[in-house]
Amino acid sequence: GEQVEQRPPHLSVPEGDSAVIICTYTDSATAYFYWYKQEPGAGLQLLMSVFSNVDRKEEQGLTVLLNKKDKQLSLNLTAAHPGDSAVYFCAVSAGYQNFYFGKGTSLTVIP
Amino acid sequence: GPKVLQIPSHQIIDMGQMVTLNCDPVSNHLYFYWYKQILGQQMEFLVNFYNGKVMEKSKLFKDQFSVERPDGSYFTLKIQPTALEDSAVYFCASSLGGAGTGQLYFGEGSKLTVL
Repeated sequence: GEQVEQRPPHLSVPEGDSAVIICTYTDSATAYFYWYKQEPGAGLQLLMSVFSNVDRKEEQGLTVLLNKKDKQLSLNLTAAHPGDSAVYFCAVSAGYQNFYFGKGTSLTVIP
Repeated sequence: GPKVLQIPSHQIIDMGQMVTLNCDPVSNHLYFYWYKQILGQQMEFLVNFYNGKVMEKSKLFKDQFSVERPDGSYFTLKIQPTALEDSAVYFCASSLGGAGTGQLYFGEGSKLTVL
């Protein structure tokens, strides 16, 4: 089955710096890609979704890059601020019912 | 935006007891999911449910687990009997279509503590 690796598990950046989180997946049929944010004690909030025909998507200070050749998905938070501190998860799907999640990255933005 | 509600938010029970976790999905959604998260780490897929049936389940979905959604009411996860390793936060999610047609909307989780 699909294997999703996410790195790094923990990331600390000063306020204003960028933060990059990377996921790799194994199933070449994977076609749908998601980034979620989880704040303490809360559920997952969708940040961005990308279909496989898109290599790059930018929204509100977030950039998602998709490299299908290397089966790699990345999330770049430009100019991070303390409100971005949370756990971030990537999720992928081949278009069936199941979503496969990475193990999460705990991001701390230092004021 | 659309909300998935989970009840209870926290439950403490003794090992061997039964527990039912309730999920009120987004009203027009058709696909329902349960995920298990231990210690704020990886979201582990348990099961998905569509049209009254389990579509897919993982190896974490033990024989002691069951799901149902009788007549459009709550989508429930029942564990009977519970074991210590069932302690985790259980997240319900729903989507309008399958994975490729829409995002998953998550509830805020039900924290289960098995003593």
